[in-house]
Amino acid sequence: RKEVEQDPGPFNVPEGATVAFNCTYSNSASQSFFWYRQDCRKEPKLLMSVYSSGNEDGRFTAQLNRASQYISLLIRDSKLSDSATYLCVVRGTGFQKLVFGTGTRLLVSP
Amino acid sequence: GAVVSQHPSWVICKSGTSVKIECRSLDFQATTMFWYRQFPKQSLMLMATSNEGSKATYEQGVEKDKFLINHASLTLSTLTVTSAHPEDSSFYICSAEMTGRETQYFGPGTRLLVL
Repeated sequence: RKEVEQDPGPFNVPEGATVAFNCTYSNSASQSFFWYRQDCRKEPKLLMSVYSSGNEDGRFTAQLNRASQYISLLIRDSKLSDSATYLCVVRGTGFQKLVFGTGTRLLVSP
Repeated sequence: GAVVSQHPSWVICKSGTSVKIECRSLDFQATTMFWYRQFPKQSLMLMATSNEGSKATYEQGVEKDKFLINHASLTLSTLTVTSAHPEDSSFYICSAEMTGRETQYFGPGTRLLVL
């Protein structure tokens, strides 16, 4: 079983739609959780950290459910510029190691 | 702030040659840098963790004699792919962790194509 699992998509949505991505992780000892965004042929960029209490940054909302080992990302009012691959990232065993999911591809169309 | 650069951004080489990739933290000191590899349609896979002034820690399955890592200063780490072969063709990305901070900042990546 992969340490971090995501639905690869693609998710095709029209502009203005709300879309949600899910991610599960296998290591219950994981301490930190993130969503990164990766554009085609580019490096990943940090979108937001994920906290147990849930957190929001503009149109983006992230949730963490430690009991179910489940992380989510909600994007409201999708923009064309949101088209990218969204990577679920977990800080695994050991203090510094990040473990990446394979990513969920989002395509927002006019 | 928190800018990481990589050089070169892409390289094409013949099989059997060695390729050196540089990773620099431009505006902060990074005690720890990380090297990842990403094949098409796959996730980033950590290759090794590089600590300034000490030997790198390699992930299982990564040959330390093939992927030489040097982290000689707080702002520079290098990855040398020795005797590169076509199967080494990939997207190599470094990241740097600001001392005392949790977030990793990624370089723009280096595309390696071995013919």
